[in-house]
Amino acid sequence: QQQVKQSPQSLIVQKGGISIINCAYENTAFDYFPWYQQFPGKGPALLIAIRPDVSEKKEGRFTISFNKSAKQFSLHIMDSQPGDSATYFCAASPNFNKFYFGSGTKLNVKP
Amino acid sequence: GAVVSQHPSWVICKSGTSVKIECRSLDFQATTMFWYRQFPKQSLMLMATSNEGSKATYEQGVEKDKFLINHASLTLSTLTVTSAHPEDSSFYICSARDVQAANTGELFFGEGSRLTVL
Repeated sequence: QQQVKQSPQSLIVQKGGISIINCAYENTAFDYFPWYQQFPGKGPALLIAIRPDVSEKKEGRFTISFNKSAKQFSLHIMDSQPGDSATYFCAASPNFNKFYFGSGTKLNVKP
Repeated sequence: GAVVSQHPSWVICKSGTSVKIECRSLDFQATTMFWYRQFPKQSLMLMATSNEGSKATYEQGVEKDKFLINHASLTLSTLTVTSAHPEDSSFYICSARDVQAANTGELFFGEGSRLTVL
């Protein structure tokens, strides 16, 4: 059973547009929700993360929106650029002990 | 940022042989390292949690005798795929947490090791 469900599987956005990726979870023990960016043939890299005590976190063009009651969180990439084209994974962790990853979203930003 | 190095980055071996993959934290100490397996266009599946100085904790369905994990020091964990078979071909990725920054939760990932078993 997948602990974290992610959608969409793939996403095509025009340059300058907004990319939105959604994730949902069930386990209320999760208290840390990071997003990772992965380029082909490379390991994932942390993009941005949020704890459940806040509803939004913004770092540059990247924003996480978190809805604790709905057990959902999403990544918004503003002013999407071709260099943002990569696979994005959401994840969730209970007290940093283990990390459960979503299925990934392949983002393609068209010039 | 912190650097996690994996070696080799890719390896091809014959069926039945064993392959060792190293994961090193270059500029920080890691009491815990995680080993993941990733199939093409799929997510990362946690295989095991490697703890320095103690036995690794394996996820359900992962054969501990097939995937030997050793975490001999605070900067090195190894994954040995024993008697490899073609179905073991995959992308193996390690990650580590800085023991000094445990409360931040940030995981640092290695570049991954692509194993192809002929």
